[in-house]
Amino acid sequence: DAGVTQSPTHLIKTRGQQVTLRCSPISGHKSVSWYQQVLGQGPQFIFQYYEKEERGRGNFPDRFSARQFPNYSSELNVNALLLGDSALYLCASSLLEGWMNEKLFFGSGTQLSVL
Amino acid sequence: DQQVKQNSPSLSVQEGRISILNCDYTNSMFDYFLWYKKYPAEGPTFLISISSIKDKNEDGRFTVFLNKSAKHLSLHIVPSQPGDSAVYFCAARVTNSGYALNFGKGTSLLVTP
Repeated sequence: DAGVTQSPTHLIKTRGQQVTLRCSPISGHKSVSWYQQVLGQGPQFIFQYYEKEERGRGNFPDRFSARQFPNYSSELNVNALLLGDSALYLCASSLLEGWMNEKLFFGSGTQLSVL
Repeated sequence: DQQVKQNSPSLSVQEGRISILNCDYTNSMFDYFLWYKKYPAEGPTFLISISSIKDKNEDGRFTVFLNKSAKHLSLHIVPSQPGDSAVYFCAARVTNSGYALNFGKGTSLLVTP
Protein backbone atom coordinates (compact mmCIF):
# COMPACT_ATOMS: atom_id res chain seq x y z
CA ASP A 1 0.00 0.00 0.00
CA ALA A 2 1.15 3.52 -0.76
CA GLY A 3 2.07 5.70 2.16
CA VAL A 4 1.27 9.37 2.55
CA THR A 5 2.16 11.14 -0.67
CA GLN A 6 2.91 14.85 -0.98
CA SER A 7 3.43 17.02 -4.02
CA PRO A 8 5.47 18.74 -5.11
CA THR A 9 8.62 17.56 -3.35
CA HIS A 10 10.39 20.88 -3.84
CA LEU A 11 9.11 24.36 -4.62
CA ILE A 12 10.72 27.76 -5.05
CA LYS A 13 8.60 30.90 -4.73
CA THR A 14 9.23 34.59 -4.28
CA ARG A 15 7.97 36.83 -1.51
CA GLY A 16 4.32 37.82 -1.85
CA GLN A 17 3.37 34.84 -3.98
CA GLN A 18 0.85 32.18 -3.07
CA VAL A 19 1.51 28.44 -2.86
CA THR A 20 -0.62 25.29 -2.71
CA LEU A 21 0.74 22.05 -1.31
CA ARG A 22 -1.03 18.74 -1.79
CA CYS A 23 -1.33 15.60 0.29
CA SER A 24 -2.89 12.19 -0.26
CA PRO A 25 -3.36 10.16 2.92
CA ILE A 26 -2.95 6.44 3.27
CA SER A 27 -5.95 4.65 1.79
CA GLY A 28 -8.70 4.44 4.39
CA HIS A 29 -7.29 7.19 6.59
CA LYS A 30 -9.77 9.96 7.25
CA SER A 31 -7.66 12.45 9.16
CA VAL A 32 -4.94 14.68 7.75
CA SER A 33 -2.65 17.00 9.69
CA TRP A 34 -0.15 19.55 8.46
CA TYR A 35 3.12 20.46 10.15
CA GLN A 36 5.82 23.01 9.38
CA GLN A 37 9.44 22.12 10.09
CA VAL A 38 11.90 24.99 9.95
CA LEU A 39 15.56 24.01 9.68
CA GLY A 40 16.95 23.03 13.06
CA GLN A 41 13.54 22.85 14.71
CA GLY A 42 10.98 20.15 15.31
CA PRO A 43 7.74 19.99 13.33
CA GLN A 44 5.14 22.54 14.39
CA PHE A 45 1.41 21.82 14.14
CA ILE A 46 -0.54 23.89 11.61
CA PHE A 47 -3.90 22.17 11.00
CA GLN A 48 -5.81 18.96 11.49
CA TYR A 49 -8.76 17.91 9.35
CA TYR A 50 -11.09 15.00 9.94
CA GLU A 51 -13.98 14.09 7.67
CA LYS A 52 -13.50 17.38 5.81
CA GLU A 53 -13.85 19.49 8.93
CA GLU A 54 -11.14 21.48 10.66
CA ARG A 55 -10.49 19.89 14.04
CA GLY A 56 -7.52 21.88 15.18
CA ARG A 57 -5.39 24.86 14.28
CA GLY A 58 -1.95 25.82 15.50
CA ASN A 59 -0.54 29.25 16.12
CA PHE A 60 -0.21 30.32 12.50
CA PRO A 61 -1.47 33.50 10.80
CA ASP A 62 -4.57 33.61 8.60
CA ARG A 63 -2.31 33.51 5.55
CA PHE A 64 -2.31 29.77 6.13
CA SER A 65 -5.43 27.85 5.17
CA ALA A 66 -6.28 24.28 4.32
CA ARG A 67 -9.09 22.06 3.23
CA GLN A 68 -9.89 18.38 2.94
CA PHE A 69 -11.71 16.88 0.00
CA PRO A 70 -14.33 14.10 -0.11
CA ASN A 71 -11.60 11.60 -1.02
CA TYR A 72 -9.74 12.72 2.16
CA SER A 73 -6.87 14.32 0.27
CA SER A 74 -5.89 17.76 1.46
CA GLU A 75 -4.39 21.03 0.33
CA LEU A 76 -2.46 23.57 2.34
CA ASN A 77 -2.48 27.12 0.99
CA VAL A 78 -0.15 29.90 2.03
CA ASN A 79 -0.78 33.44 0.79
CA ALA A 80 1.53 36.44 0.73
CA LEU A 81 4.64 34.33 1.26
CA LEU A 82 7.34 35.61 3.57
CA LEU A 83 10.98 34.56 3.74
CA GLY A 84 10.20 32.95 7.08
CA ASP A 85 7.76 30.56 5.44
CA SER A 86 10.71 28.66 3.99
CA ALA A 87 10.45 25.24 5.58
CA LEU A 88 9.66 21.58 5.10
CA TYR A 89 5.90 21.11 5.13
CA LEU A 90 4.85 17.71 6.38
CA CYS A 91 1.51 16.04 5.94
CA ALA A 92 0.45 13.22 8.24
CA SER A 93 -2.54 10.93 8.14
CA SER A 94 -4.28 8.76 10.67
CA LEU A 95 -7.16 6.34 10.47
CA LEU A 96 -9.46 8.16 12.81
CA GLU A 97 -9.55 11.51 14.50
CA GLY A 98 -6.80 10.65 16.92
CA TRP A 99 -8.62 10.50 20.21
CA MET A 100 -7.52 6.91 20.77
CA ASN A 101 -3.83 7.79 20.64
CA GLU A 102 -3.34 6.20 17.26
CA LYS A 103 -0.09 7.06 15.58
CA LEU A 104 0.44 9.46 12.72
CA PHE A 105 1.98 8.44 9.43
CA PHE A 106 4.02 11.21 7.82
CA GLY A 107 4.79 11.90 4.20
CA SER A 108 8.27 12.91 3.02
CA GLY A 109 7.25 16.55 2.89
CA THR A 110 7.39 19.48 0.50
CA GLN A 111 10.49 21.64 0.79
CA LEU A 112 9.41 25.24 0.20
CA SER A 113 12.00 27.92 -0.43
CA VAL A 114 10.87 31.56 -0.49
CA LEU A 115 13.33 33.96 -2.14
CA ASP B 1 7.36 28.72 23.92
CA GLN B 2 9.06 25.33 23.61
CA GLN B 3 7.05 22.91 25.71
CA VAL B 4 9.08 19.87 24.68
CA LYS B 5 12.83 20.17 24.96
CA GLN B 6 15.60 17.96 23.69
CA ASN B 7 18.70 19.60 25.04
CA SER B 8 21.24 17.39 23.27
CA PRO B 9 21.42 18.29 19.58
CA SER B 10 23.61 15.30 18.83
CA LEU B 11 24.82 12.02 20.29
CA SER B 12 27.48 9.59 19.10
CA VAL B 13 27.50 5.97 20.27
CA GLN B 14 29.47 2.91 19.31
CA GLU B 15 27.70 0.01 17.69
CA GLY B 16 26.47 -2.50 20.26
CA ARG B 17 26.39 0.02 23.10
CA ILE B 18 23.33 1.68 24.62
CA SER B 19 21.98 4.94 23.22
CA ILE B 20 20.05 7.14 25.64
CA LEU B 21 18.11 10.07 24.25
CA ASN B 22 16.53 12.49 26.68
CA CYS B 23 13.49 14.73 26.56
CA ASP B 24 12.00 17.18 29.03
CA TYR B 25 8.59 18.81 28.96
CA THR B 26 6.98 21.71 30.76
CA ASN B 27 3.25 21.18 30.22
CA SER B 28 1.85 18.99 33.00
CA MET B 29 -1.28 18.40 30.91
CA PHE B 30 0.61 16.24 28.42
CA ASP B 31 -0.68 12.68 28.77
CA TYR B 32 0.78 10.87 25.78
CA PHE B 33 4.35 10.83 24.56
CA LEU B 34 5.87 9.56 21.35
CA TRP B 35 9.25 9.14 19.74
CA TYR B 36 9.68 9.56 16.01
CA LYS B 37 12.75 8.77 13.92
CA LYS B 38 13.63 10.74 10.82
CA TYR B 39 16.08 9.89 8.06
CA PRO B 40 17.19 12.59 5.58
CA ALA B 41 14.69 13.24 2.78
CA GLU B 42 12.04 11.15 4.54
CA GLY B 43 9.16 12.00 6.82
CA PRO B 44 9.27 11.11 10.52
CA THR B 45 8.33 7.52 11.30
CA PHE B 46 6.71 6.42 14.53
CA LEU B 47 9.00 4.49 16.84
CA ILE B 48 7.41 4.00 20.25
CA SER B 49 4.96 5.71 22.57
CA ILE B 50 3.93 5.79 26.20
CA SER B 51 0.83 6.88 28.04
CA SER B 52 1.14 8.95 31.19
CA ILE B 53 -0.40 6.12 33.21
CA LYS B 54 2.72 4.03 32.58
CA ASP B 55 6.36 4.58 33.43
CA LYS B 56 7.90 2.19 30.93
CA ASN B 57 7.14 0.78 27.52
CA GLU B 58 9.31 -1.66 25.64
CA ASP B 59 9.37 -2.72 22.01
CA GLY B 60 12.28 -4.86 20.96
CA ARG B 61 15.49 -2.89 21.23
CA PHE B 62 13.61 0.29 22.14
CA THR B 63 12.42 1.24 25.61
CA VAL B 64 10.86 4.51 26.68
CA PHE B 65 10.89 5.57 30.32
CA LEU B 66 8.61 8.27 31.72
CA ASN B 67 9.23 10.14 34.96
CA LYS B 68 6.17 12.33 35.45
CA SER B 69 7.37 13.99 38.63
CA ALA B 70 10.49 15.18 36.82
CA LYS B 71 8.62 15.82 33.56
CA HIS B 72 11.27 13.76 31.82
CA LEU B 73 11.31 10.88 29.41
CA SER B 74 14.09 8.96 27.79
CA LEU B 75 14.50 6.56 24.91
CA HIS B 76 16.93 3.67 25.31
CA ILE B 77 18.21 1.75 22.30
CA VAL B 78 20.00 -1.47 23.11
CA PRO B 79 22.06 -2.60 21.31
CA SER B 80 22.62 0.35 19.00
CA GLN B 81 23.09 -0.41 15.32
CA PRO B 82 24.49 1.77 12.50
CA GLY B 83 21.01 1.79 10.90
CA ASP B 84 19.74 3.61 13.99
CA SER B 85 21.65 6.70 12.89
CA ALA B 86 18.93 9.30 12.37
CA VAL B 87 17.30 12.31 14.00
CA TYR B 88 15.03 11.37 16.90
CA PHE B 89 12.12 13.60 17.84
CA CYS B 90 10.31 13.51 21.13
CA ALA B 91 6.65 14.56 20.92
CA ALA B 92 3.81 15.03 23.38
CA ARG B 93 0.12 15.74 23.28
CA VAL B 94 -2.85 16.55 25.47
CA THR B 95 -5.50 13.97 24.53
CA ASN B 96 -8.52 16.19 24.97
CA SER B 97 -7.03 18.93 22.80
CA GLY B 98 -7.16 16.95 19.57
CA TYR B 99 -4.27 15.42 17.80
CA ALA B 100 -1.76 18.29 17.75
CA LEU B 101 1.66 16.94 18.61
CA ASN B 102 4.24 19.17 20.27
CA PHE B 103 7.70 18.22 19.04
CA GLY B 104 11.13 18.83 20.45
CA LYS B 105 13.97 20.07 18.22
CA GLY B 106 15.37 16.60 17.79
CA THR B 107 18.59 14.76 18.63
CA SER B 108 20.84 13.53 15.87
CA LEU B 109 22.12 10.06 16.74
CA LEU B 110 25.22 8.67 15.07
CA VAL B 111 26.05 5.03 15.67
CA THR B 112 29.60 4.24 14.63
CA PRO B 113 30.90 0.77 13.78
